This record gives sequence, structure tokens and C-alpha cells, in this order.
Amino acid sequence: DTAVSQTPKYLVTQMGNDKSIKCEQNLGHDTMYWYKQDSKKFLKIMFSYNNKELIINETVPNRFSPKSPDKAHLNLHINSLELGDSAVYFCASSPDHGSEQYFGPGTRLTVT
Amino acid sequence: GESVGLHLPTLSVQEGDNSIINCAYSNSASDYFIWYKQESGKGPQFIIDIRSNMDKRQGQRVTVLLNKTVKHLSLQIAATQPGDSAVYFCAELGGGAQKLVFGQGTRLTINP
Repeated sequence: DTAVSQTPKYLVTQMGNDKSIKCEQNLGHDTMYWYKQDSKKFLKIMFSYNNKELIINETVPNRFSPKSPDKAHLNLHINSLELGDSAVYFCASSPDHGSEQYFGPGTRLTVT
Repeated sequence: GESVGLHLPTLSVQEGDNSIINCAYSNSASDYFIWYKQESGKGPQFIIDIRSNMDKRQGQRVTVLLNKTVKHLSLQIAATQPGDSAVYFCAELGGGAQKLVFGQGTRLTINP
């Protein structure tokens, strides 16, 4: 059984398009996150939600909008995609902010 | 073999040897540290964690050492196996921050 799942695993799209990535966790965790991993493997947090409330919003362009319909889901919508958005995006969850985080398998986004 | 995450991102060791991966963290107020393993095409996977009230913690074939004086963390892997080949990240949390800050990562390659 997958603990943290993301869809799609691969996403190839053109500049200017709008796309969404979905994340679900079945661990009963209160906190969920989105991370971006660049080509040099550097992992940086983008957003975190605790019980559907936004807690962390790093310096991310307004084109990125997370949405948490319930505690088990945190989706990421990206408007007007740019070449620099190409990366692997990871969703993660944890029981709370001070605990270990469990990561999903990642979504490789390629913007052409 | 030994590596410093920021200056030597790649470490190669012979199968069966022990490996040491080092990490220099930035925030002296951090009180929780985690090592993650990321295999190719997968999300980071929790290996072991340590809180600042400890200086050593052991798991199965892995040991984490924490030196708060010099803000240094290390991961020792005993009797390395081919399945240990991956990128290893240290991450720190604390000091009032609610986000995990990841280090650069070290690529460990196990040679047969």
C-alpha cells in the first residue's frame, strides 16, 4: 500500500500551459508539503499545510497555488508554466511539523 | 571512505567496506536531524534521525553521529551493499523554523 502517492509521475507540457499535480497520503498525518528538486538534486520546500491550513509559503511565484481539499490531499496547480519550472516535485507528509517526513515518488515536470 | 557533503558530493567505496558521509549544518538552534536516502527515480526515504540531546544513534547497519560544537553530522554505513548506492541527504529542523532544511546531498556508489 502506497503511503504517499502522486499523480502523474511524468508530465511534459509546453510553456504557458496550466497543469496540476495531485498528492494523497493514507498515513493519517496532519501535515503535508511540496518540495522542488532541481537538476543538481537540491531539495527545497515550497509549501506546507497543517490540517488544510497553509503554514509555510516559501518565496514561490504566485503562479504556484497549492490546494488542500482535506487533510489527506494536497494538490499543486501551476499557471503559465515556464522553462525554469522543469524539475522533480515531491509531496511529503508528517504527523506534525517536528517529525520525520515521508515522501512520495515524485513528479518529473518537463516544460518545453 | 569519507566525504564532506559540500565539497565532495560523490563517494565511491568497495562493497563490504564501511562508508562515512558527512554533513555540515547551518543553524546552531536546530534540534532535530534526519538522514534520507534517495535512489534513482524515487523519493527520499527516511533512514535514521537524531535529536540534539543525543550524540549518537544506531540503527541496522547505520549510525548517526552528531557534534553540536562544530555543527557536524555524519552517517556511517557498515558493510556496504550494492543496494546502498544512492544520494544521501542530511536535513535539519528547529530553531523556531517549521521546515526541514536539506543539505546538498552526497552520491554514494558501491563498487563490486
